[in-house]
Amino acid sequence: DSGVTQTPKHLITATGQRVTLRCSPRSGDLSVYWYQQSLDQGLQFLIQYYNGEERAKGNILERFSAQQFPDLHSELNLSSLELGDSALYFCASSAGTGIVNTIYFGEGSWLTVV
Amino acid sequence: GDSVTQMEGPVTLSEEAFLTINCTYTATGYPSLFWYVQYPGEGLQLLLKATKADDKGSNKGFEATYRKETTSFHLEKGSVQVSDSAVYFCALRVTQGGSEKLVFGKGTKLTVNP
Repeated sequence: DSGVTQTPKHLITATGQRVTLRCSPRSGDLSVYWYQQSLDQGLQFLIQYYNGEERAKGNILERFSAQQFPDLHSELNLSSLELGDSALYFCASSAGTGIVNTIYFGEGSWLTVV
Repeated sequence: GDSVTQMEGPVTLSEEAFLTINCTYTATGYPSLFWYVQYPGEGLQLLLKATKADDKGSNKGFEATYRKETTSFHLEKGSVQVSDSAVYFCALRVTQGGSEKLVFGKGTKLTVNP
């Protein structure tokens, strides 16, 4: 158990809908990351937050947004869903940034868009 | 840009065989390097890491040495077990200012037969 908690574990929704994925980082970790894992694209970095502030943005679509709250949990919002958004979404956390900090991953949220 | 290339799978071995999964990287500066493992139906787990040239990371019988001269971080295990069947991801950490992300290879699926 990495200590990173993601909910829901599985989600099935229709095209055009909006969903929210939630992540609780490891206790004390200030940095949260979101990744998307799909068969064709592999593991893609989406976004990083550090103590509530956006720090890095990767291949995140404009239909997707994220935030980190004062209690350090994070949410990834996916809207106007398309079939191609079906993927495993990982949240990860670390104490901070830099060499000594290990990034720990949650078990992921499986999203299926039908 | 920063990237990771790892050998295409799948790899199928018999129990007690020797394992090598090749990984090379392209990066500016001196990144930290990682191997993560994803067991069936589970999230990503950190297997081992190395933070500077000539460092050797090791865990659960797996080893990888950070080779700056060949920009490589090959994963090896002397005697694999059925329980090692999983997908293995090589990754490098890119840190810029206060931002940080992991860049992953496409993953190599390993199946170990009894």
